[in-house]
Amino acid sequence: AQSVAQPEDQVNVAEGNPLTVKCTYSVSGNPYLFWYVQYPNRGLQFLLKYITGDNLVKGSYGFEAEFNKSQTSFHLKKPSALVSDSALYFCAVREGSGYSTLTFGKGTMLLVSP
Amino acid sequence: GAVVSQHPSWVICKSGTSVKIECRSLDFQATTMFWYRQFPKQSLMLMATSNEGSKATYEQGVEKDKFLINHASLTLSTLTVTSAHPEDSSFYICSASRQGETQYFGPGTRLLVL
Repeated sequence: AQSVAQPEDQVNVAEGNPLTVKCTYSVSGNPYLFWYVQYPNRGLQFLLKYITGDNLVKGSYGFEAEFNKSQTSFHLKKPSALVSDSALYFCAVREGSGYSTLTFGKGTMLLVSP
Repeated sequence: GAVVSQHPSWVICKSGTSVKIECRSLDFQATTMFWYRQFPKQSLMLMATSNEGSKATYEQGVEKDKFLINHASLTLSTLTVTSAHPEDSSFYICSASRQGETQYFGPGTRLLVL
């Protein structure tokens, strides 16, 4: 079985400061990892994914994430937070080989203060 | 690219009626579409997976006769909530993917059953 843990319900950061939203995963095979963002009453927007290759993945809106196989982590980062980044962030995993569905973490609310 | 739409964005109906929600991939052919349900401040719960031209695969605990899914073409899937009751009130989100790649999500449909 595959699972995702987002240990923080909420992350608070001041505008202009770096932000990190944590994610760890468990999967039996090779992981395909994803980050999505959800604004209030909206669906999920794709931010970035790791399939293979470079461990540092760059995505939309200046976000990036680093795949760490030994720590089974895929933390989302941004060097300088914006107030408009305030939203709910979901990490998701699926096993790369064969067919499997996405498993989502419970989400982390990011609040960026002015 | 990779835009997914849902219609309607919100619907209010009386208990006992049926409600149909459409999910369309606007600029790509979706071999697989997914239907999720999201409760307030919670993560997404996968309800079912549908492949074009075949029957949907429902997750454990999801009643297939209650939540009818039709994936009639590579760009359209519908979810019909039959004989809706207040406990069916929720935020329903679809996603679409092409050949097992990244899932792209629709904006969601908020259903309120009175």
